[in-house]
Amino acid sequence: EPEVTQTPSHQVTQMGQEVILRCVPISNHLYFYWYRQILGQKVEFLVSFYNNEISEKSEIFDDQFSVERPDGSNFTLKIRSTKLEDSAMYFCASCEEAHQPQHFGDGTRLSIL
Amino acid sequence: AQSVTQPDIHITVSEGASLELRCNYSYGATPYLFWYVQSPGQGLQLLLKYFSGDTLVQGIKGFEAEFKRSQSSFNLRKPSVHWSDAAEYFCAVGVYNQGGKLIFGQGTELSVKP
Repeated sequence: EPEVTQTPSHQVTQMGQEVILRCVPISNHLYFYWYRQILGQKVEFLVSFYNNEISEKSEIFDDQFSVERPDGSNFTLKIRSTKLEDSAMYFCASCEEAHQPQHFGDGTRLSIL
Repeated sequence: AQSVTQPDIHITVSEGASLELRCNYSYGATPYLFWYVQSPGQGLQLLLKYFSGDTLVQGIKGFEAEFKRSQSSFNLRKPSVHWSDAAEYFCAVGVYNQGGKLIFGQGTELSVKP
């Protein structure tokens, strides 16, 4: 069964540094998402992406965040200047249509020191 | 605003016993509802979904859920729990007109006693 893959599985970064989290969605999917889960808290929506543009973003997704689909397979989340509170598990998800079930990757654990 | 509430943070059941995990939602239109399961260090795996039609939906691993519009609920059930069901369970509502984003509940951690 096709899977969403995320790399790296764990990223440790100094505060203020830029970080890029990478995702390869399922190949025939058209809708892409990023979510995050701070330790002990609920999974929170960050951003949705369709047709090469952001379709929806949350309040969390401020100017420090950006997403890109640089080629036909990758979907990236960039945090320009990381803060301690950005430490979380980041999940990528994809689906064929907006109301279809989303398939999630195993996540990237981001630790900001 | 849309929201999902899972009232039980942690539930412990004995192996072989029945299970019901509660989920209540707040949404202005007909919701798309999902249950996901997360094992430690893993991503979220879809258990089942409700879009429309039959209000009792079957999922993987012997789980089922019932959509009750009058109670704004979508409770997850399993008649006989296995030790391998120990995990965190998340209820979510899909917001179709906002790019299909999912709004998750807080999650319920399930422990299974031998």
